[in-house]
Amino acid sequence: EVQLVESGGGLVQPGGSLRLSCAASGFTFGDYWMHWVRQAPGKGLVWVSRINGDGSSTNYAVSVKGRFTISRDNAKNTLYLQMNSLRAEDTAVYYCATDVGGPWFGEFSLDSWGLGTLVTVSS
Amino acid sequence: DVQMTQSPSSLSASVGDRVTITCRASRSISSYLNWYQQKPGKAPKLLISSASSLQSGVPSRVSGSGSATDFTLTISSLQPEDFATYYCQQSYTTPWTFGQGTKVEIK
Repeated sequence: EVQLVESGGGLVQPGGSLRLSCAASGFTFGDYWMHWVRQAPGKGLVWVSRINGDGSSTNYAVSVKGRFTISRDNAKNTLYLQMNSLRAEDTAVYYCATDVGGPWFGEFSLDSWGLGTLVTVSS
Repeated sequence: DVQMTQSPSSLSASVGDRVTITCRASRSISSYLNWYQQKPGKAPKLLISSASSLQSGVPSRVSGSGSATDFTLTISSLQPEDFATYYCQQSYTTPWTFGQGTKVEIK
């Protein structure tokens, strides 16, 4: 059974930093693109970032580029999101996700999601 | 960025109704279009990938169509478990972008 479990969320002051983790199990983690998607309270889904299987390729939303860094440790089956210079508008539930059911290893859609971790940026 | 525009933003419908949600891309995205369903407090669920490929376990009353810039999600006979918010999402190019969502409510 595929499981994605996010952790690391919490309350942080504006300008602060936080590192999210996503522990993966039930599939060959290192074969898959992994993504972060966020959702502000009462708002829609926003794609944040993605990383390929060996970590050599990353992409970011414009709103987080230069502040957030996605990475992975395939030996630990864990995905990370380092978030720096946090702003109030970064307040959201952060989901990690991939696609283990399709033929593209998470490159084009997301069929497996964690439950999310809430990040609140406030003074 | 490719902008994704869904319509309507919300709709009220009855059980058994046929429901259609439209998604328009600001430029051609071929068939790199996915549809998700989200219920309150839950993670999104992938319904359709590549514009028209129904995911395993999704009922056949759900279908998707379209290509290039115009896409449609149709639920042929709305069931109680279908009341939720639906999002389209393009994966043609990064940054991936989602539509703003369509909330389907009970009439």
